[in-house]
Amino acid sequence: GAVVSQHPSRVICKSGTSVKIECRSLDFQATTMFWYRQFPKKSLMLMATSNEGSKATYEQGVEKDKFLINHASLTLSTLTVTSAHPEDSSFYICSASSREGPYNEQFFGPGTRLTVL
Amino acid sequence: AQSVTQPDIHITVSEGASLELRCNYSYGATPYLFWYVQSPGQGLQLLLKYFSGDTLVQGIKGFEAEFKRSQSSFNLRKPSVHWSDAAEYFCAVGGGGDYKLSFGAGTTVTVRA
Repeated sequence: GAVVSQHPSRVICKSGTSVKIECRSLDFQATTMFWYRQFPKKSLMLMATSNEGSKATYEQGVEKDKFLINHASLTLSTLTVTSAHPEDSSFYICSASSREGPYNEQFFGPGTRLTVL
Repeated sequence: AQSVTQPDIHITVSEGASLELRCNYSYGATPYLFWYVQSPGQGLQLLLKYFSGDTLVQGIKGFEAEFKRSQSSFNLRKPSVHWSDAAEYFCAVGGGGDYKLSFGAGTTVTVRA
């Protein structure tokens, strides 16, 4: 099956610093990648959709200058949390879709736990 | 707009007993429906999916789900749960050209010995 990896799995940073999270599709070309945020005991909240070579489309209420998304290749998307603050602490999950397989099927990464001190 | 409702926030079931998790969706056209499972601190694992055809779908780990268009439901079932089935379960619906998924709030399953 399609495999998606995320790196790092956990990161702790100081308030005010920036953190980059990588999402890679290991065995398929991901035309579209999604970034989600999940709060404890809560569902997944879609933050943005990125298509390879295009600017990301952000969901309403998500600060695009705060959460920078780059999808420069068909196998890699990155999420950079700029000037992180404690309220940005969360579990971030990416998913990828090839648009060649079953319609709308997204393959999820294992998630990244971000803690901002 | 598409949406998913999972009416049960938390279900406790005895090991060996049957399990049913409810999912109701709202979508204007033919939906694409998914059930995912998430263990603590982990990503999502796909249990099963429905795109078309037979409305009873078999998945991994002994799970199955039935699509009922008349009830806008896609309930997940397992005849006999194992302690390892304790996790968070999410139902999701998609179908638009933007490939987005809408997730339900999730149901936490606790398995007691």
